[in-house]
Amino acid sequence: KNEVEQSPQNLTAQEGEFITINCSYSVGISALHWLQQHPGGGIVSLFMLSSGKKKHGRLIATINIQEKHSSLHITASHPRDSAVYICAVKLGNEKLTFGTGTRLTIIP
Amino acid sequence: DAGVIQSPRHEVTEMGQEVTLRCKPISGHDYLFWYRQTMMRGLELLIYFNNNVPIDDSGMPEDRFSAKMPNASFSTLKIQPSEPRDSAVYFCASSSKLGQGPTLAEVLPEQFFGPGTRLTVL
Repeated sequence: KNEVEQSPQNLTAQEGEFITINCSYSVGISALHWLQQHPGGGIVSLFMLSSGKKKHGRLIATINIQEKHSSLHITASHPRDSAVYICAVKLGNEKLTFGTGTRLTIIP
Repeated sequence: DAGVIQSPRHEVTEMGQEVTLRCKPISGHDYLFWYRQTMMRGLELLIYFNNNVPIDDSGMPEDRFSAKMPNASFSTLKIQPSEPRDSAVYFCASSSKLGQGPTLAEVLPEQFFGPGTRLTVL
């Protein structure tokens, strides 16, 4: 069982829709990260969270430490948001562990 | 700045051959990371360097894998001998600061990723 699970694995939505991608993990963490991987393969760091909520443009990331869960939201989605979104956590004293990603496709 | 440069972009080789992947970090960055990405396992951190010194290689899968950083502007990841299960995309990333704290987790937001090397071992 993967210690970091993301859902859904694949998500297709119409342009303008509100998008939610989820990440759950099994043990206590010190920080959680969201990454965006573009169709060409390039990876960009989006957020690092240890508590609460962060916002950057149309992207919002939240984390609930007690429930061991984080969500990445995209408002007013656009085709250029199409990418794979990956969450990563540092589980206790273990090395950084990545989820398998959520493939998002926004249709014009 | 050209960003993180990786070469080759694609590599196809036969099982048993030696494979060398190369990375040039962004000038001035003193952290360098090697990752592997597969469909089954997603992204995995293999090893990272600080000031050319390997800090954590616990992610290196086995002795067939080795990484070096002979100077601040160059690193290699070598697989010898290669096996089909090594087929993956290998990313290099660099970073210039620790972010909010001393642990690896806090380093991640500052990382800049290279375009990756797609390795296929037949």
